[in-house]
Amino acid sequence: GAGVSQSPRYKVAKRGQDVALRCDPISGHVSLFWYQQALGQGPEFLTYFQNEAQLDKSGLPSDRFFAERPEGSVSTLKIQRTQQEDSAVYLCASSSRGYGEQFFGPGTRLTVL
Amino acid sequence: GESVGLHLPTLSVQEGDNSIINCAYSNSASDYFIWYKQESGKGPQFIIDIRSNMDKRQGQRVTVLLNKTVKHLSLQIAATQPGDSAVYFCATGFQKLVFGTGTRLLVSP
Repeated sequence: GAGVSQSPRYKVAKRGQDVALRCDPISGHVSLFWYQQALGQGPEFLTYFQNEAQLDKSGLPSDRFFAERPEGSVSTLKIQRTQQEDSAVYLCASSSRGYGEQFFGPGTRLTVL
Repeated sequence: GESVGLHLPTLSVQEGDNSIINCAYSNSASDYFIWYKQESGKGPQFIIDIRSNMDKRQGQRVTVLLNKTVKHLSLQIAATQPGDSAVYFCATGFQKLVFGTGTRLLVSP
């Protein structure tokens, strides 16, 4: 069956540009998570949705980061006025429950020049 | 805050050997632990999990051991194969997972 998909897989942005990263979770999964993974590091939590409700956004680094999941399925992570330190792989994961095993997508590699 | 750390950044083994990857965590209240495998260019892939009410759990060729006394977690891979080469992360948490920095497992033929 289809896993978690993310698009684009690669994104190059000039500093100051806005970007939007898309996540399609596994069908029927109520929980959706975003993580940021810097080179050589483990993923770091950004935010969590249960259906369309954003229950935890404590990991978002600044108010330039915004995530939404308006219909409880597809989610978009938006970064405004990108900066070089935003360069990382952004991972999306989904889960059929609010806890436990999270299924990860392949990630979007963002490079800010 | 909660943190997890892996003991070795790189582990090199020969094909057929058993591999042991270690992880330490800081929060004694941690209740749930997961091991993930990440290959280059891919997202983390679930390997095995364990709850704090257990001290051992086995899967196919993998075993996770949990020592709550010393807050230590290990992943054992039996008969390691070249396809096991990847970065391995331990993580803890219920919804918000906290990951360690990872151990790169290199398997040589």
